[in-house]
Amino acid sequence: QLQLQESGPGLVKPSETLSLTCTVSGGSISRSSYYWGWIRQSPGKGLEWIGSIYYSGNTYYNPSLKSRVTISVDTSKEQFSLKLSSVTAADTAVYYCARDIGGSPPGPFDLWGRGTLVTVSS
Amino acid sequence: DIVMTQSPDSLAVSLGERATINCKSSQSVLYSSNNKNYLAWYQQKPGQPPKVLIYWASTRESGVPDRFSGSGSGTDFTLTISSLQAEDVAVYYCQQYYSSPSSFGQGTKLEIK
Repeated sequence: QLQLQESGPGLVKPSETLSLTCTVSGGSISRSSYYWGWIRQSPGKGLEWIGSIYYSGNTYYNPSLKSRVTISVDTSKEQFSLKLSSVTAADTAVYYCARDIGGSPPGPFDLWGRGTLVTVSS
Repeated sequence: DIVMTQSPDSLAVSLGERATINCKSSQSVLYSSNNKNYLAWYQQKPGQPPKVLIYWASTRESGVPDRFSGSGSGTDFTLTISSLQAEDVAVYYCQQYYSSPSSFGQGTKLEIK
């Protein structure tokens, strides 16, 4: 049974970089035609797609965040990662990793991690 | 960008009764070359991630009870729960994946009356 699990700091200071990793277990990132995505959920903005990556490294980002986002993949570790730079309080949210069966454009997302709350505060 | 608008924001329905949630997109999500609507529905229970129920506007995900159905085309879509069960209490979201960036509706909170 494929599972996804987010990990990373729950507290990030303003202007710093948020870094999260998603570990895929029970399956392989590279042995499929799926993309792997990041979605966040905040009370103010609801569900927001951040970006998606293919095992080859091909990426698609939400234009509203593109200047601050980097998504990368490490197939040897069955992980993909999110970096969001220059964070502000508006980036406080629950961050989910998910399997993206579309790619470009992204969605639907058929498997999700449990999510991790990231708070931006000094 | 495509804006997804759901109605109502909240809904209270008696057990065993029908629940209907609407979703409207700011532009059509019907791809003419394959006649598919790029629209999905999700269910989110407290403390859990969203779970996909329906994609291509009307195709149920494996394991989803058949009391859940999706309909509509173009810009107007509906999620129907034919006979509400207690475990259906949740927030429901629609999502368009017709164009990037993919976007979600604001959610509809479904409760028991």
